[in-house]
Amino acid sequence: KQEVTQIPAALSVPEGENLVLNCSFTDSAIYNLQWFRQDPGKGLTSLLLIQSSQREQTSGRLNASLDKSSGRSTLYIAASQPGDSATYLCAVKTSYDKVIFGPGTSLSVIP
Amino acid sequence: KAGVTQTPRYLIKTRGQQVTLSCSPISGHRSVSWYQQTPGQGLQFLFEYFSETQRNKGNFPGRFSGRQFSNSRSEMNVSTLELGDSALYLCASSLLQSSYEQYFGPGTRLTVT
Repeated sequence: KQEVTQIPAALSVPEGENLVLNCSFTDSAIYNLQWFRQDPGKGLTSLLLIQSSQREQTSGRLNASLDKSSGRSTLYIAASQPGDSATYLCAVKTSYDKVIFGPGTSLSVIP
Repeated sequence: KAGVTQTPRYLIKTRGQQVTLSCSPISGHRSVSWYQQTPGQGLQFLFEYFSETQRNKGNFPGRFSGRQFSNSRSEMNVSTLELGDSALYLCASSLLQSSYEQYFGPGTRLTVT
């Protein structure tokens, strides 16, 4: 059974810092992994999608990597800004066609 | 291009009642998935529809059901509501099956009293 965990559960950093969020999954047989952000009380905004055959994806200040063999993905945020404050969730699409979400990392960027 | 829309945005129901939530995917998207989000359980997959057929189902009781119409719009129904059904219900659409990037709607906040 696929399980997805995220570390840390919460993170508070000063503006301008580079930071890394971690996502781990127990079953390496995945189709893809997607990173989202969620603002309080809102839906999810897609950040990056990494297919199982890819190692990383980049969008602006965001870079996500995927290491299937070790069951890990990282989301790197460069030069953090207060507007980056949100909950970040990773989700894996399993080989049996279900999407499993991690519990999320709550990020607070202090001006 | 318009995003995923969900109606209603907020809903208050009483235990024992039933509720129907609606989701309109991005134009051209054919896959719609539903999720329940609660503080205790996080985001949990309910079901996925593709071309009017349920392709996959999560571990929820039969009180939770859904359907998809020929225009890809989807509805989710919960019968005999329980207090524990209070949650944010999120709908996501993707171009084809959910191996493609998913785009989420704003959600429907359901409160059961």
